[in-house]
Amino acid sequence: NAGVTQTPKFQVLKTGQSMTLQCAQDMNHNSMYWYRQDPGMGLRLIYYSASEGTTDKGEVPNGYNVSRLNKREFSLRLESAAPSQTSVYFCASSPMSGIYNEQFFGPGTRLTVL
Amino acid sequence: AQSVTQPDIHITVSEGASLELRCNYSYGATPYLFWYVQSPGQGLQLLLKYFSGDTLVQGIKGFEAEFKRSQSSFNLRKPSVHWSDAAEYFCAVASMNRDDKIIFGKGTRLHILP
Repeated sequence: NAGVTQTPKFQVLKTGQSMTLQCAQDMNHNSMYWYRQDPGMGLRLIYYSASEGTTDKGEVPNGYNVSRLNKREFSLRLESAAPSQTSVYFCASSPMSGIYNEQFFGPGTRLTVL
Repeated sequence: AQSVTQPDIHITVSEGASLELRCNYSYGATPYLFWYVQSPGQGLQLLLKYFSGDTLVQGIKGFEAEFKRSQSSFNLRKPSVHWSDAAEYFCAVASMNRDDKIIFGKGTRLHILP
């Protein structure tokens, strides 16, 4: 089991460029999440998908879009990157939505926007 | 709105010494509380969680935490730290409302002296 995988591990963009962060899980989990982690800020939820076919905004959704491609994959897209989006991005999954279920995290993508 | 505070940004302890990481929460009803650990370059891993029942909960890697409602605290403890415990620790709180999301604290980075 690979668990939660994220690609790429590192990325440098110029302001205005677009890119998609990929996330996949092989645990047959229903729910998936995207967080960003900034120094001194902890983790903040960007978007989540409680189940295949549904997505909802989290705490900081502006400037991002998501796609729940299938049960395994949940991608995060930056349409026009801004320096404020420089961060470490984590994808997570859990068996079901709801706080009773442990979230399993990927290793993260470190994104720098110049 | 619920929130969680970790008063200590950095903590340094000697290997073999005891450890206590502080966490305070703000929430009207009974909160659901978590501690996660993030090793360098890795995603987050759940150490332990409290939903109800015994206020002293045991977790993985020899950690425990105690829920004290009167103090709105959920401090993490370990009797004797190992060099491998050097990491960042996040306390989190969640509620059983329609949002069903977890709010993370800003983290405490633990340094271990040999």
